[in-house]
Amino acid sequence: TQLLEQSPQFLSIQEGENLTVYCNSSSVFSSLQWYRQEPGEGPVLLVTVVTGGEVKKLKRLTFQFGDARKDSSLHITAAQPGDTGLYLCASGGGNNRKLIWGLGTSLAVNP
Amino acid sequence: DTGVSQDPRHKITKRGQNVTFRCDPISEHNRLYWYRQTLGQGPEFLTYFQNEAQLEKSRLLSDRFSAERPKGSFSTLEIQRTEQGDSAMYLCASSQSGGNEQFFGPGTRLTVL
Repeated sequence: TQLLEQSPQFLSIQEGENLTVYCNSSSVFSSLQWYRQEPGEGPVLLVTVVTGGEVKKLKRLTFQFGDARKDSSLHITAAQPGDTGLYLCASGGGNNRKLIWGLGTSLAVNP
Repeated sequence: DTGVSQDPRHKITKRGQNVTFRCDPISEHNRLYWYRQTLGQGPEFLTYFQNEAQLEKSRLLSDRFSAERPKGSFSTLEIQRTEQGDSAMYLCASSQSGGNEQFFGPGTRLTVL
């Protein structure tokens, strides 16, 4: 069974700081998605990475997929309070149908 | 299209009562998924439909849980004889067949007293 490990589990930083969160597996990902979830809401898809070594940017967020497709990172530059939330990685979907989820990184950006 | 919608957003019920939740997927998506999420955890897969066919059910889905998608559009999730352990956020997602990306609704927060 493929498991996704996310680190750190909790992160509290000041506005303007940079941060990186990680998603790792012992198995090769077919594809990997990053979601952000606010309290009381459903996860919102941020990005999907498919190709080993792929880098995608979404404003101040940079997503990287490891060359071996076993790990991924999310880097946020100059974090803002609006970035606060639970960041989840998930793998699967497509022909695998269901997504396998990490436990998430809970991020708090303090003004 | 306004995305995936779920109703109700919140439900408080007494132990032993039955509850039913509804999910309306994105209109062109033929796959629909139900997940359950408890505090501090990622979503847990419950079941999934392709059109009206229920193709996979998790072992988490006990006999008290039943899901339907009668016309291949909206879906309902019913929990009979609710227990306090059923308290959770119930999430619905939809996707296109073969797609890697699932799009989630806002969830239904169930509290069983």
